Amino acid sequence: RKEVEQDPGPFNVPEGATVAFNCTYSNSASQSFFWYRQDCRKEPKLLMSVYSSGNEDGRFTAQLNRASQYISLLIRDSKLSDSATYLCVVNIVGNEKLTFGTGTRLTIIP
Amino acid sequence: EAQVTQNPRYLITVTGKKLTVTCSQNMNHEYMSWYRQDPGLGLRQIYYSMNVEVTDKGDVPEGYKVSRKEKRNFPLILESPSPNQTSLYFCASSLYGQGAYEQYFGPGTRLTVT
Repeated sequence: RKEVEQDPGPFNVPEGATVAFNCTYSNSASQSFFWYRQDCRKEPKLLMSVYSSGNEDGRFTAQLNRASQYISLLIRDSKLSDSATYLCVVNIVGNEKLTFGTGTRLTIIP
Repeated sequence: EAQVTQNPRYLITVTGKKLTVTCSQNMNHEYMSWYRQDPGLGLRQIYYSMNVEVTDKGDVPEGYKVSRKEKRNFPLILESPSPNQTSLYFCASSLYGQGAYEQYFGPGTRLTVT
């Protein structure tokens, strides 16, 4: 089983819609969680960290479910500029390594 | 402007010809690392460095070398490149060791080994 698993998509979503992705992780010692965004042929950039209580940044909401070992990303009122690949990233306590999921590709359709 | 730079951005080379990909950051970050990204496999860490003169293997270190003689630079060396090292390479840095700190990535180096 992969350490971090994501549905690769693609998700094709009309502009203005709400879309959600999940990401599951296998190691219960995971302690830090992030969503990174990667545009085509570009470098990944931090979208948001994921906190235990859940957190929101504008149209984006991230949630963590430790019991079921998954994190989620919700995008409301999607924009054309949200089209990208979204990477789930996990860090295990005491480990200097980040583990990246393979990404979920999102395309917003006008 | 705070950034991570990599050079070259694109490189086509032949099997066995030694090459170096440079990486430099101007944010005084202690932690630097190299990743490769391949379709269906995602980003995998090659090597990382917690600080000057401190380096350690990541998940896929075979065939690569690194050095950290200065805080700002972290070059990736392929002593004898092989076609299975054809990939997209990213250098990244963060203030301290990974965990809670944001990773800043360079623009990537697309390497083709024939």
